[in-house]
Amino acid sequence: DARVTQTPRHKVTEMGQEVTMRCQPILGHNTVFWYRQTMMQGLELLAYFRNRAPLDDSGMPKDRFSAEMPDATLATLKIQPSEPRDSAVYFCASGFRQNNQPQHFGDGTRLSIL
Amino acid sequence: AQSVTQLGSHVSVSEGALVLLRCNYSSSVPPYLFWYVQYPNQGLQLLLKYTTGATLVKGINGFEAEFKKSETSFHLTKPSAHMSDAAEYFCAVSETYQGGSEKLVFGKGTKLTVNP
Repeated sequence: DARVTQTPRHKVTEMGQEVTMRCQPILGHNTVFWYRQTMMQGLELLAYFRNRAPLDDSGMPKDRFSAEMPDATLATLKIQPSEPRDSAVYFCASGFRQNNQPQHFGDGTRLSIL
Repeated sequence: AQSVTQLGSHVSVSEGALVLLRCNYSSSVPPYLFWYVQYPNQGLQLLLKYTTGATLVKGINGFEAEFKKSETSFHLTKPSAHMSDAAEYFCAVSETYQGGSEKLVFGKGTKLTVNP
């Protein structure tokens, strides 16, 4: 089965450091989503790309977060500088641009900012 | 905007008992509805989806859900719980915005515990 691949699976770093999370969407999918999951807030949509173009990043703190798709096989989410409140599990999902098509999730990056 | 409400953040059942996880949605247009399951340290996996047609939808692992428009509900059921069903379950509705682009609006999740 085709899968969404996220790296790294775990990341522990100190406050102020840059963090880069990577996602390889399923080949052929034209939409990519970044989510953040915490106990308090649940699943939050951070950013959404269609055909590599960012369509919605209203869920991201703009001053420190950035999301890009340098090519169709790679999506990145960067945090600079990182803060303890950024500790969460970050998920990437990919799919087709149709409302009745499901999103396929990666296994996430568990981020801890000390 | 669409929204999803999952009643009960925690549900506990005995092995072999009926599983019922509740989901209500609000939508101004006919919705597309999804149930996802999340096992510990994993991403979300699709259990089943409703788009159009038959209102009773069957999914993987013996789960099914019924779309009831009059009640704006999409409850998830399984006749007999198995220990391996212990996980967190998310209901989601597909929302169209920004010129036809879509996103999923998720409920807060229900953590299912299965007791031996």
